[in-house]
Amino acid sequence: QKEVEQDPGPLSVPEGAIVSLNCTYSNSAFQYFMWYRQYSRKGPELLMYTYSSGNKEDGRFTAQVDKSSKYISLFIRDSQPSDSATYLCAMGPGGGNKLTFGTGTQLKVEL
Amino acid sequence: GAVVSQHPSWVICKSGTSVKIECRSLDFQATTMFWYRQFPKQSLMLMATSNEGSKATYEQGVEKDKFLINHASLTLSTLTVTSAHPEDSSFYICSASAGQGKTGEKLFFGSGTQLSVL
Repeated sequence: QKEVEQDPGPLSVPEGAIVSLNCTYSNSAFQYFMWYRQYSRKGPELLMYTYSSGNKEDGRFTAQVDKSSKYISLFIRDSQPSDSATYLCAMGPGGGNKLTFGTGTQLKVEL
Repeated sequence: GAVVSQHPSWVICKSGTSVKIECRSLDFQATTMFWYRQFPKQSLMLMATSNEGSKATYEQGVEKDKFLINHASLTLSTLTVTSAHPEDSSFYICSASAGQGKTGEKLFFGSGTQLSVL
């Protein structure tokens, strides 16, 4: 079993839809949780950064962490075609330490 | 957010040659940099952790003589793929951390280098 599980998709939604992306993990030591967006053949871009359990909102993006269930989510409201990318979850015991990444979910937002 | 610059963006080389990839932190000092490898539709695989002024720490299964890492300054780390072969063709990405591996710091990524070995 992988330490971090993420559905690779692809996930296709119409423009304006609410998108829900999820990861599960098995390591109880993980304290920091991140979501990265990666366009094809580009480096990952940090979207959301969360410590421990709880919610964090930034514009159209909301990150949720449920440590009791070892489950994290990223919600994208009013999705746009420019949101089409691969979304990677990442987590670690320390924010800048070695991170464990999910495989990424490929998202396509269609007009 | 902090900016990490990675060059070149892509490189094509002949089998048996060596290729150097540079990773620079432009607006902060990076005591720690990480090098990853990514195959199509797969996640990032950590290759090594590069610490300024000391030897890199390689992940299990990564050949240190094949992938030479130098972190000579607080803003520059290089990865040299020595005697490259077609199986080394991949997308290589660096990332940098502003702290010293302390909890709570963020990790920023370069734009990646696509290596194709003919």
